[in-house]
Amino acid sequence: DSGVTQTPKHLITATGQRVTLRCSPRSGDLSVYWYQQSLDQGLQFLIQYYNGEERAKGNILERFSAQQFPDLHSELNLSSLELGDSALYFCASSVDPGMGNTIYFGEGSWLTVV
Amino acid sequence: GENVGLHLPTLSVQEGDNSIINCAYSNSASDYFIWYKQESGKGPQFIIDIRSNMDKRQGQRVTVLLNKTVKHLSLQIAATQPGDSAVYFCAENGNAGNMLTFGGGTRLMVKP
Repeated sequence: DSGVTQTPKHLITATGQRVTLRCSPRSGDLSVYWYQQSLDQGLQFLIQYYNGEERAKGNILERFSAQQFPDLHSELNLSSLELGDSALYFCASSVDPGMGNTIYFGEGSWLTVV
Repeated sequence: GENVGLHLPTLSVQEGDNSIINCAYSNSASDYFIWYKQESGKGPQFIIDIRSNMDKRQGQRVTVLLNKTVKHLSLQIAATQPGDSAVYFCAENGNAGNMLTFGGGTRLMVKP
């Protein structure tokens, strides 16, 4: 158990809908990351937050957004969902965003868009 | 763009043998490398890391080797066990932050 908690574990929704994935980082970790894992793209970095502020952006679509709240939990919002958005979405956390700080991953939220 | 890649998608080894999983990276600015293990239905699990000022680092039954000259990274698992069966990813960090670029993954299958 990495200490990173993600909900829901599984989610099935229709195209055009909007979903919210939730993440609680490990106790004491201030930095949260979101990654997408799909069969054809592998693990792709989406976005990073540190202590409530956006820190870095990766390959995140404009239809997707995220935030980190004062209690450090984070949410990833996916809107206008398309079939191609079906993937595993991982949240990860580290103590701070400095390079070399171990990044611990949650178990993921499996999103299926039908 | 630059990326991290793996030579072999699947590696099959006999239980008790040593395993070697390889990874090539192309970003010469990468300064930090990590190996993750991902079991079916689970998230990536940190195994071992190494910084670019080192060429070898050992953990419990695992060793990571870094050859910066040829931009090559390898993970050695000693006395491979059935519980080692998983997909192994190398990841690199070549930026000022802590964002990881992952390779495509290698599936390790351990035969009893």
